[in-house]
Amino acid sequence: GQSLEQPSEVTAVEGAIVQINCTYQTSGFYGLSWYQQHDGGAPTFLSYNALDGLEETGRFSSFLSRSDSYGYLLLQELQMKDSASYFCAVNNTDKLIFGTGTRLQVFP
Amino acid sequence: SAVISQKPSRDICQRGTSLTIQCQVDSQVTMMFWYRQQPGQSLTLIATANQGSEATYESGFVIDKFPISRPNLTFSTLTVSNMSPEDSSIYLCSVGGPRTSGSAIQGEQYFGPGTRLTVT
Repeated sequence: GQSLEQPSEVTAVEGAIVQINCTYQTSGFYGLSWYQQHDGGAPTFLSYNALDGLEETGRFSSFLSRSDSYGYLLLQELQMKDSASYFCAVNNTDKLIFGTGTRLQVFP
Repeated sequence: SAVISQKPSRDICQRGTSLTIQCQVDSQVTMMFWYRQQPGQSLTLIATANQGSEATYESGFVIDKFPISRPNLTFSTLTVSNMSPEDSSIYLCSVGGPRTSGSAIQGEQYFGPGTRLTVT
């Protein structure tokens, strides 16, 4: 079977750093994506890792270790607007398989 | 980036009826995807729709229940047939990222705003 596991919920305060982990087991793998989804909104793309290592995009960074079937999303300088659900997704040829999702709550 | 619209945005339907959801993209795309997302849950891929060929369904989803049309490169429909309360969910369509130098940006998809379906 295929599975992508994430913590169900993470809480943090404004200005802090939070890491959201993703472990995956899939039949095919081309890369790992991260998406953000606010309540009532559509998922929006954040980052993509095809190779091992760290990708940085502003306050957000994403890491991938293919040998460990593991990745994480790092959010720095947290803001209230970062409160949302975050999904990792495995790129399997042309389609995405989404993880279980992590709800991030940022407190003042 | 692609701009995607969906119709209807929400609907309340009676069990046993069918609903067709429309997805319109502002640019031509090869592949369109249909997902289902129950409130507070993850996204589950229903099928991939290619223009000019039959949709490819994921395990657990069948054409008789979720027929899909893809008449051109900017439009697709998903029908939820013979609905039951278990079909109550948000249905989203998406397309792959823009192509640069002939290659798609992998892992990046753009999503429509979703259709919230409630079956009573």
